[in-house]
Amino acid sequence: DSGVTQTPKHLITATGQRVTLRCSPRSGDLSVYWYQQSLDQGLQFLIQYYNGEERAKGNILERFSAQQFPDLHSELNLSSLELGDSALYFCASSEEAGGLAKNIQYFGAGTRLSVL
Amino acid sequence: AQTVTQSQPEMSVQEAETVTLSCTYDTSENNYYLFWYKQPPSRQMILVIRQEAYKQQNATENRFSVNFQKAAKSFSLKISDSQLGDTAMYFCAFRGATNKLIFGTGTLLAVQP
Repeated sequence: DSGVTQTPKHLITATGQRVTLRCSPRSGDLSVYWYQQSLDQGLQFLIQYYNGEERAKGNILERFSAQQFPDLHSELNLSSLELGDSALYFCASSEEAGGLAKNIQYFGAGTRLSVL
Repeated sequence: AQTVTQSQPEMSVQEAETVTLSCTYDTSENNYYLFWYKQPPSRQMILVIRQEAYKQQNATENRFSVNFQKAAKSFSLKISDSQLGDTAMYFCAFRGATNKLIFGTGTLLAVQP
C-alpha cells in the first residue's frame, strides 16, 4: 500500500457528463500529481499541485481542471466528457515541490474512467 | 524536450533466470533522476528502483539492479532469479528539473514457470 488513496476505483459515465476524481496524498506529502494512462497516449503527466498552488502543467485539456484543498487532498474535474477520455487516472504524491531532492512520487491505485 | 524509449514491447523469461529490460532517454539536463516502475495486473504503479544521475554507482534493490550509462543515455534494468510475481508491465521514467515524470511506453514481462 503506497499510502495514496484514490476514489472511486471505477467510474462509468456518458459522453457530455462531468465527473470528479479524488485523491488523498500520503501523510506529510505536500505535492500531488495527476497522470493519465490510455492505450493510445501511454502515461502522461497532467498537472501538479504543491501545498494548494498549481506548480506545473502538462498535457491537460481545457475541459479538465484540478485543485488542491487546505487539507492537501486533490480533485481532478473532467467535463464535457468524450469517448477518448476513457483512461486510467493516477494520482501520485511526494514530499516536496521539485528540484533535485530525493523526491519520490508514490502512486495511488488509480481511477478507471469509462465514457460510454 | 526529454524523451524515454523502451524498444522491447514484450519479453519472456523462465522462472529463476535473469532478464534485462532496456531503456534509453534523451535530455540536455545534467542532473536528473531515472526510475523503473512496475505495473502488475492490479494496475498499481510500484516503484522498483531509482538512480540519481550524479551518482556513478549503479543502484541495486535486492534482485533488481540497473546498468546506468550516462554518456550513452542508457538505463537498463536487470532482474535476477525471476519470480512469477515479477510478471508485470515495466516502465522506465525520467525526472528532471520540471519534476514531472516522463514515461516510456513500457515492456510487458512474462515470467514462465
